[in-house]
Amino acid sequence: GAGVSQSPRYKVAKRGQDVALRCDPISGHVSLFWYQQALGQGPEFLTYFQNEAQLDKSGLPSDRFFAERPEGSVSTLKIQRTQQEDSAVYLCASSLVSGINYEQYFGPGTRLTVT
Amino acid sequence: QKEVEQNSGPLSVPEGAIASLNCTYSDRVSQSFFWYRQYSGKSPELIMSIYSNGDKEDGRFTAQLNKASQYVSLLIRDSQPSDSATYLCAVSPRGAGNNRKLIWGLGTSLAVNP
Repeated sequence: GAGVSQSPRYKVAKRGQDVALRCDPISGHVSLFWYQQALGQGPEFLTYFQNEAQLDKSGLPSDRFFAERPEGSVSTLKIQRTQQEDSAVYLCASSLVSGINYEQYFGPGTRLTVT
Repeated sequence: QKEVEQNSGPLSVPEGAIASLNCTYSDRVSQSFFWYRQYSGKSPELIMSIYSNGDKEDGRFTAQLNKASQYVSLLIRDSQPSDSATYLCAVSPRGAGNNRKLIWGLGTSLAVNP
């Protein structure tokens, strides 16, 4: 079946613009995660959904960041009033929570550049 | 101290050799451990998962976990130039409910020389 898909793959925004990044997880995957990866760094956790419930948003760097997953499938990460420090790759992962299997599978990412 | 630590490398090995990648973690109650491979400009790709002490083998890859020493490693046998990538260690701490967010190391860059 299809893997995790993300769109757009690349986004250039002027400082102050709002952006919306979309993630379509693997069908049937209950858990969905957003991560931010800066160049040369490991990914950093942003937020986590189980179905439509946002159970952990402790990693969101500011109140300009907002994520939703209203029907428990597709998720959108929104960044308001973008700043240059928001430039990074935004990764979405999904996971089928089954027993002890918590393997996360990643989409291709969205590379955001704020100018 | 970072929660998950890896030697940044680069680790350089000749083709056909064994590459050994190491990772230590600070949270003693961590439950799940993963190795991901990331090519430049691409997203992380799951290589191995390991949940209990000991070795787990999958093809040319072997993951080793020692919870007492808070140490997890990845061995790549018969290394190929196509194995050249950054290898990320990820750890899932014990969290509430089913939250299995991953805590990541910075990655080790591996170069396999023909």
